Amino acid sequence: ILNVEQSPQSLHVQEGDSTNFTCSFPSSNFYALHWYRWETAKSPEALFVMTLNGDEKKKGRISATLNTKEGYSYLYIKGSQPEDSATYLCALAPRDNNDMRFGAGTRLTVKP
Amino acid sequence: NAGVTQTPKFRILKIGQSMTLQCTQDMNHNYMYWYRQDPGMGLKLIYYSVGAGITDKGEVPNGYNVSRSTTEDFPLRLELAAPSQTSVYFCASFRLQGNTEAFFGQGTRLTVV
Repeated sequence: ILNVEQSPQSLHVQEGDSTNFTCSFPSSNFYALHWYRWETAKSPEALFVMTLNGDEKKKGRISATLNTKEGYSYLYIKGSQPEDSATYLCALAPRDNNDMRFGAGTRLTVKP
Repeated sequence: NAGVTQTPKFRILKIGQSMTLQCTQDMNHNYMYWYRQDPGMGLKLIYYSVGAGITDKGEVPNGYNVSRSTTEDFPLRLELAAPSQTSVYFCASFRLQGNTEAFFGQGTRLTVV
């Protein structure tokens, strides 16, 4: 069974704070790791897709790193804004299978 | 470019009724997935397909069926609706596994009473 774990489950920060959350996954059988941003009442939207150990991707104030050997990825948000409030999902695409499993997500609330 | 289209957006079913959730994508993606979202549980994979004529079970397939007769369409069928199937359902598609992002439909909110 493919387990994708995300922590923390929820996070409350003040506007301007920087924050980060973790996605853990089985390090064997890795193919790609996805991060999605999911606002309430909307559909998940892709942030990053990472495939190589040591990958580091950035989009504006949001960045992500990947360590496939130890099985984790970090998502960082610099200078959080209220509009960053959402659930952040990670998903693992394994090598020898075609299903894609999601973690339970980290719900971020940024207070003005 | 419409992307992934799901219908209906909302539906109320009585216990024992059946229905089909429609999912269509116009991006020529070969991989398509159905997920359900339960409160605090993220997205659970119900069924997936890697191409026309090929389907496979995910984590929570019981009570559902799918078919993939064309590349574009991947309907999800509930044969005998149960209250445990009350959830929000999302369809997603990819062009290739892994190194491209998934595109999601707008979701279907289903209530079984």
